[in-house]
Amino acid sequence: TQLLEQSPQFLSIQEGENLTVYCNSSSVFSSLQWYRQEPGEGPVLLVTVVTGGEVKKLKRLTFQFGDARKDSSLHITAAQPGDTGLYLCAGAGAGGTSYGKLTFGQGTILTVHP
Amino acid sequence: DVKVTQSSRYLVKRTGEKVFLECVQDMDHENMFWYRQDPGLGLRLIYFSYDVKMKEKGDIPEGYSVSREKKERFSLILESASTNQTSMYLCASRRTGGGYTFGSGTRLTVV
Repeated sequence: TQLLEQSPQFLSIQEGENLTVYCNSSSVFSSLQWYRQEPGEGPVLLVTVVTGGEVKKLKRLTFQFGDARKDSSLHITAAQPGDTGLYLCAGAGAGGTSYGKLTFGQGTILTVHP
Repeated sequence: DVKVTQSSRYLVKRTGEKVFLECVQDMDHENMFWYRQDPGLGLRLIYFSYDVKMKEKGDIPEGYSVSREKKERFSLILESASTNQTSMYLCASRRTGGGYTFGSGTRLTVV
């Protein structure tokens, strides 16, 4: 079973601060996805990274996939209260019969105070 | 706008009842998934289906079964509900090579 360790589990910061969330595994993934979930709703896909070393930017969010495709990070610049939510990383198995099954990290609950 | 619809947002059931959770997607996706989400444990895969009438066990299938008679519908069945099945249940669908689209979830409480 592939495991994804996500850290930190909780993050409470002030508006304007920067933060980084980490996602680590001993397994190789064919791709890694980041989701954001608000209370009472399902997770919403933010980005998919596929190539080792890939960096993607989504406004103030920067996502990076490790060179070995075993880890990833999410960096938020100048956080805003609207960024508050649960952030989940999820890795897709490298096997050919995985059918796109995702292994999820435990999640990071981010609270940005005004 | 593409959608995954779960039939109930909240359910309260009694121990021993048979419970059906329904999920419908309108995107013609091949793959559908059922996860449960618990604090500190993240999302754990219960079952998934990669085609009509096809199903595969996920990481925690015990106490659950599924049905996929039509491409757009994937049902999760709790054969005899127990209190340790109290959880948030999330359905998702995915076209091959794409990301997941999740439903809004069903919060099930078994009393």
